Amino acid sequence: EVQLVESGGGLVQRGGSVRLSCAGAGFAFSSYRMSWVRQAPGKGLEWVAYIEQDGSETHYVESLKARFTISRDNANNSLFLEMSSLRAEDTAVYYCVRFSWNYGLDVWGLGTTVTVSS
Amino acid sequence: QSVLTQPPSASGTPGQRVIISCTGTSSNIGSNTVHWFQHLPRTAPKLLVYDNYKRPSGVTDRLSASKSGTSASLAIGGLQSEDEADYYCASWDDNLNAWVFGGGTKLTV
Repeated sequence: EVQLVESGGGLVQRGGSVRLSCAGAGFAFSSYRMSWVRQAPGKGLEWVAYIEQDGSETHYVESLKARFTISRDNANNSLFLEMSSLRAEDTAVYYCVRFSWNYGLDVWGLGTTVTVSS
Repeated sequence: QSVLTQPPSASGTPGQRVIISCTGTSSNIGSNTVHWFQHLPRTAPKLLVYDNYKRPSGVTDRLSASKSGTSASLAIGGLQSEDEADYYCASWDDNLNAWVFGGGTKLTV
């Protein structure tokens, strides 16, 4: 079964940092571009970043590129998101998402919740 | 404020057909394909439509979608209670170099 499982969320102080992880299973992880998408409480979905299959290229939503870093470890089928200088508005559920050239953003994880306390 | 515009809510009775609209611009929907997702609380968002109108295997044929110019729509026929969910449209934006989403439409059956 194709699945993505996120972890690493929790309560973080404002100004602090956190590293989210995503474990992929049931598919050739290294063959897919991967993304992070977030959803703040009561808000819609917001794309955060993507990373190419081999990690050679990354791309971020402009407003977050200075504070967030996406990376991957294909040997361990893992995707990461390092978030720093966290703000209250970063409070959200963070989803790990697979991108397929045939189907787009086709597989999503259940998400991990980051709460930034003020 | 979301880049793509959706109505915040939609409703229908069982068996009815409902249409959810998604409006963008020339840099997103006008230039790229539209995707639709269904999201239930505490679940993973589910891809319903890709490439404007195509349904992945396993997605009900009660759903249909289309795109015209800078707008798109998702139609759900034969409404069922399990269709109650939030629905999001998405497209790549060439100006922002980012995936952009609609604000979501909460469907009540």
